[in-house]
Amino acid sequence: IQMTQSPSFVSASIGDRVTIACRANQDISSWLAWYQQKPGKAPKLLIYVAASLQSGVPSRFSGSGSGTDFTLTINSLQPEDFAIYYCQQGRSPPFTFGQGTKVEL
Amino acid sequence: EVQLVESGGAVVQPGGSLRLSCAASGFSFSDYWMTWVRQAPGKGLEWVANIKKDGSEENYVDSVRGRFTISRDNAKKSVFLQMESLRVEDTAIYYCARGQRSFDFWGQGTLVTAS
Repeated sequence: IQMTQSPSFVSASIGDRVTIACRANQDISSWLAWYQQKPGKAPKLLIYVAASLQSGVPSRFSGSGSGTDFTLTINSLQPEDFAIYYCQQGRSPPFTFGQGTKVEL
Repeated sequence: EVQLVESGGAVVQPGGSLRLSCAASGFSFSDYWMTWVRQAPGKGLEWVANIKKDGSEENYVDSVRGRFTISRDNAKKSVFLQMESLRVEDTAIYYCARGQRSFDFWGQGTLVTAS
């Protein structure tokens, strides 16, 4: 299963609403997760099964979608949100990741 | 506190072998699938392999199948990745992570360089 994110880069300002899209090339139901990665750090799980917020993740992060099209939304972007975001399908192995979206100032 | 600590990364010649380890603590290890994910320098994330709670099922990405073997020791709360016939393109940070379909805890990673 191939995962395609768009856009690859997002230029945004503090307080902006940012939306990142992820598309699978076949139906993955709701088996979609989102991760945030900062330089030199391991990825951090934000959203699982498309729309469930991982414990401890701020509520400004939300996920939606099912089937082949998914969205990660960051409401009111904060300074600590500048990072790379990856989607990942959990429908069937190999559990592929998208190529990443860099959110920059 | 959940912790995953990888070790075993090194510089090896192409064609060589290496065994990575991941020591887990802070949770009931035998209740979770475990996964290896890698990241080549400056590149994105690539899922590599996973193993079922009791070790009875393994899955691999095509590029490593037949060369890499994932295993676990529930008594020692550890998961391993045996890597054979290493290629230049296997150069990456290797992370172990908890979970099957999504990964809620990650280690800090260990660097493998095939050069």
